[in-house]
Amino acid sequence: GAVVSQHPSWVICKSGTSVKIECRSLDFQATTMFWYRQFPKQSLMLMATSNEGSKATYEQGVEKDKFLINHASLTLSTLTVTSAHPEDSSFYICSARPLDSGYTFGSGTRLTVV
Amino acid sequence: AQSVSQHNHHVILSEAASLELGCNYSYGGTVNLFWYVQYPGQHLQLLLKYFSGDPLVKGIKGFEAEFIKSKFSFNLRKPSVQWSDTAEYFCAVNAGSGNTPLVFGKGTRLSVIA
Repeated sequence: GAVVSQHPSWVICKSGTSVKIECRSLDFQATTMFWYRQFPKQSLMLMATSNEGSKATYEQGVEKDKFLINHASLTLSTLTVTSAHPEDSSFYICSARPLDSGYTFGSGTRLTVV
Repeated sequence: AQSVSQHNHHVILSEAASLELGCNYSYGGTVNLFWYVQYPGQHLQLLLKYFSGDPLVKGIKGFEAEFIKSKFSFNLRKPSVQWSDTAEYFCAVNAGSGNTPLVFGKGTRLSVIA
């Protein structure tokens, strides 16, 4: 079935640095990908919709200058957390809809900012 | 905008008890409905989904859900839970076809005790 590969699985970074998370569709083309954030013991909150070749659409309250999204090809979307702070520590998950019937999710990235 | 409500925050059941988790959504048009499970320390796994047809949907691991359009509900059921069903359960909805994101409910934590 359709697979979305997300890397890295976990990352620890120092406060003030930037971290890039990659999401690749392995066996299908994804014109659109979705980025979610999940805080411990909470639900998945949609951060933004990433569109190939155009600007991402951010949800209300999500800082677009802090969470940079690039979707330069049909198989790769990246999320860069810039100038990370401890409150950005979370679980980040990407998703795509390869078929009209369902969604596929990446395995997630656990970000810890120290 | 779509929203999803899961009424039960935490449910505690004994093994072999029956389970019903509530899920209501707010959207007037055609929706696709999903239930996902997240076991401790693991990633989202699709339990079942509804797109059209028979409103009683059967999923994996003995779970089923019933779509009641008049009540905007999609409750998850299992006749007899097992200890291994201990997990977080998320109801999700998206509006129709195309590249629209899933909107998740806040989740219900199920604890099954022996």
